[in-house]
Amino acid sequence: SQTIHQWPATLVQPVGSPLSLECTVEGTSNPNLYWYRQAAGRGLQLLFYSVGIGQISSEVPQNLSASRPQDRQFILSSKKLLLSDSGFYLCAWFDGALETEAFFGQGTRLTVV
Amino acid sequence: DQQVKQNSPSLSVQEGRISILNCDYTNSMFDYFLWYKKYPAEGPTFLISISSIKDKNEDGRFTVFLNKSAKHLSLHIVPSQPGDSAVYFCAANNNAGNMLTFGGGTRLMVKP
Repeated sequence: SQTIHQWPATLVQPVGSPLSLECTVEGTSNPNLYWYRQAAGRGLQLLFYSVGIGQISSEVPQNLSASRPQDRQFILSSKKLLLSDSGFYLCAWFDGALETEAFFGQGTRLTVV
Repeated sequence: DQQVKQNSPSLSVQEGRISILNCDYTNSMFDYFLWYKKYPAEGPTFLISISSIKDKNEDGRFTVFLNKSAKHLSLHIVPSQPGDSAVYFCAANNNAGNMLTFGGGTRLMVKP
């Protein structure tokens, strides 16, 4: 069965500091991987998705970047965090086939202070 | 431009009654729809789905209805239970796009 790991669960970072959130998937190969953000009182916003190693598509221009160094690893980064980067970040795996749901990690609560 | 919309940010229902959560979409290319349930500080979990070739799918207390002509779907929970209290997200998939587009979510509160 497929498992998706995301860490850390919570993170408090000062403004201007760097960020690195990691997501790994087990039990599948060549998955489509996604980073979503849920800001306070708002829905799930797609930030980045990747259909393969080194392939990143950005949905929303912002202070964040993503990388896919390995098939089952997806990293969300920032060089300098802003207050507005606070939110709940979710990594998801989705194989892209019809009638298949996406599987989410447990999420990372990021608070920028 | 929000392609998937959940116009009710919150809904309060008495235990035992029906909960109806609504979702509208604009992209006619969407062909598969899903509902997710999310508790605070956790990732969303899959609840129920429906293909565009169907107009109803039922799983226990949960039923999803799809009206393609109106580009509208709804989730019915009968009977509602306090444990159903969570945020519910509607999502749509365009298989050609390989991604899910989510609505803004509806917070359901089921009162004992």
